[in-house]
Amino acid sequence: SQQGEEDPQALSIQEGENATMNCSYKTSINNLQWYRQNSGRGLVHLILIRSNEREKHSGRLRVTLDTSKKSSSLLITASRAADTASYFCATDAFPGAAGNKLTFGGGTRVLVKP
Amino acid sequence: EPEVTQTPSHQVTQMGQEVILRCVPISNHLYFYWYRQILGQKVEFLVSFYNNEISEKSEIFDDQFSVERPDGSNFTLKIRSTKLEDSAMYFCASSEFPGVGEQYFGPGTRLTVT
Repeated sequence: SQQGEEDPQALSIQEGENATMNCSYKTSINNLQWYRQNSGRGLVHLILIRSNEREKHSGRLRVTLDTSKKSSSLLITASRAADTASYFCATDAFPGAAGNKLTFGGGTRVLVKP
Repeated sequence: EPEVTQTPSHQVTQMGQEVILRCVPISNHLYFYWYRQILGQKVEFLVSFYNNEISEKSEIFDDQFSVERPDGSNFTLKIRSTKLEDSAMYFCASSEFPGVGEQYFGPGTRLTVT
């Protein structure tokens, strides 16, 4: 089993609908970050949530973190065709060593149909 | 908005050749990273770098790989003798602080080894 697994693997919705994807992880974390990747392109940082936080908002994004269940969710509200992308969660672990490596999940591919 | 840049965007090389991938991290960042993503697979950590030395490296980062900060702005990844399985997208990332801040990724270099 691997740190950072997203669910579902793929999601298809209509423009205007909400998209929810989940991330589960195995070991204790320091932070959890969500990234977006358009096909074949770079990783765009969306939001970071710390282990002592439970919910965070940024624009149309809402992230929750449940450390007791070792899971996080990303909600995109009022989706747009431009939200079509793959979404990844990435965790970094204690202790805060010089340069905390990120461990990525396999991603959720989101298709927003116009 | 400051961003991480990478050159080239695409590199094609023959097996056994040396390649150098270049990155310019965000200027006030002190922690640098390389990750790679083989097509269709997860993003994998390669190495982290701070204060002119490697902080952590993965098992992927063997003797064929090296990193260097040759001047105050560039951060490079060298692969001495490329193999077919080195074909991947290579991402550079940087962060201002380890463990408490976001890692920002560059657009990636697609390396194709023939």
